Formats: sequence, C-alpha cells, structure tokens
Amino acid sequence: AQSVTQLDSHVSVSEGTPVLLRCNYSSSYSPSLFWYVQHPNKGLQLLLKYTSAATLVKGINGFEAEFKKSETSFHLTKPSAHMSDAAEYFCVVSGAGGYNKLIFGAGTRLAVHP
Amino acid sequence: DADVTQTPRNRITKTGKRIMLECSQTKGHDRMYWYRQDPGLGLRLIYYSFDVKDINKGEISDGYSVSRQAQAKFSLSLESAIPNQTALYFCATGTGELFFGEGSRLTVL
Repeated sequence: AQSVTQLDSHVSVSEGTPVLLRCNYSSSYSPSLFWYVQHPNKGLQLLLKYTSAATLVKGINGFEAEFKKSETSFHLTKPSAHMSDAAEYFCVVSGAGGYNKLIFGAGTRLAVHP
Repeated sequence: DADVTQTPRNRITKTGKRIMLECSQTKGHDRMYWYRQDPGLGLRLIYYSFDVKDINKGEISDGYSVSRQAQAKFSLSLESAIPNQTALYFCATGTGELFFGEGSRLTVL
C-alpha cells in the first residue's frame, strides 16, 4: 500500500533563509509524487510533480524537490523564503489506482517571519 | 472566473438536514473529485468520477452521495448531516495535476 508522511506539522523560518519541508513515502512500485500548496482560504495549487523523469524537479515560485529512492524521500526546498510563501504544503503520492487515488500527507504549515 | 467553482462557500446546518454542495469546472477535464479536509489529516477522497456515467467511491464515501449532471458539474450530497461531517470540502478536476476549487466550509450543529 502507498502512504506518505510529512515529518513536520509546522515549520518556521525567517524571510530570506532556506526552506526545507520533509516528506517520506512508501510505495510498492515507482510512484508519482507531488507537492501542493494551500494559501489561506484558497484551494490547493500544484507546486511541482515527479513522474520518473529527472530526480530533481523544479516547480513554481523557486521551489524544488529531489526524489531519493534509496531514502524514500521527496523533500521540498527553496533557497530563500519570502513572506508570500507562508501557507500549508501537502506532499502527495499516487496510489494503486494511479491518479485516481492520490494519497495526501497531513500537511506542513510554513510560517515566515520578517 | 475561477476554473473550478464551488457553492456554497460556507454553510451552517443542523443535524439531520440534507445538504448539497455543488461544483462546476471550465477546464474541460472528464475526471472530477470530491475531497474532505480535516486539520491534521490532509485531504481524503470521498468520490470520484471519470465521466458522466462512471462514479466511484473513495476511501470515505459512507454518509455521502454524488451526482454527475454533466461533464462540467459534480455535486456532493449529505442526505442526513451529522456533526462529524463538519469539515472543509474540496472539488477538483484533472488528471495528474489536479485543479481545486476554493472549498466549501460546512458546519453541522
């Protein structure tokens, strides 16, 4: 069975410092992995996705994630946080039903301080 | 206009009442989904639909029903609402990349 674990429920950084949001997954086959962002009172928006091409995936707004099969991880990073990055982030793995069965992590709330 | 529109955005109702949440999309995708979001639990799939004639249960379909009225419209119903159905509900469409509505916040008293 597929599962996804976001290792931190809350992350707080200062503006201009790096961001690291951690995600581990479990899958019995080569998965597709996604990061979505949810700003307050908004729906979710795709940041980036991994679908077995390059292991380093670049997304929108300067975010990127690296697929590490040996570590079953798909951590999200950004070199320099901006105030507008404050939001909730979800790591998502495709389940046995492919894109029909996306499995969401519990979410990581990112706070960015001046 | 938003690609995925949900109505109502907020609703307060009482236990036992019937509630319908509506969703329409302009992305032209065949696949549509209803998710429920609870704090600390992420999003969980309630129902999904490949097309007008194909509707499937997700992981938490008990207490919910859906109707796919057209390619662009997918509604979620709670026949007899109960307090533990208080949550934020999202409609989405797409394959691979999902496009989400802004959510419908439902409170059942």
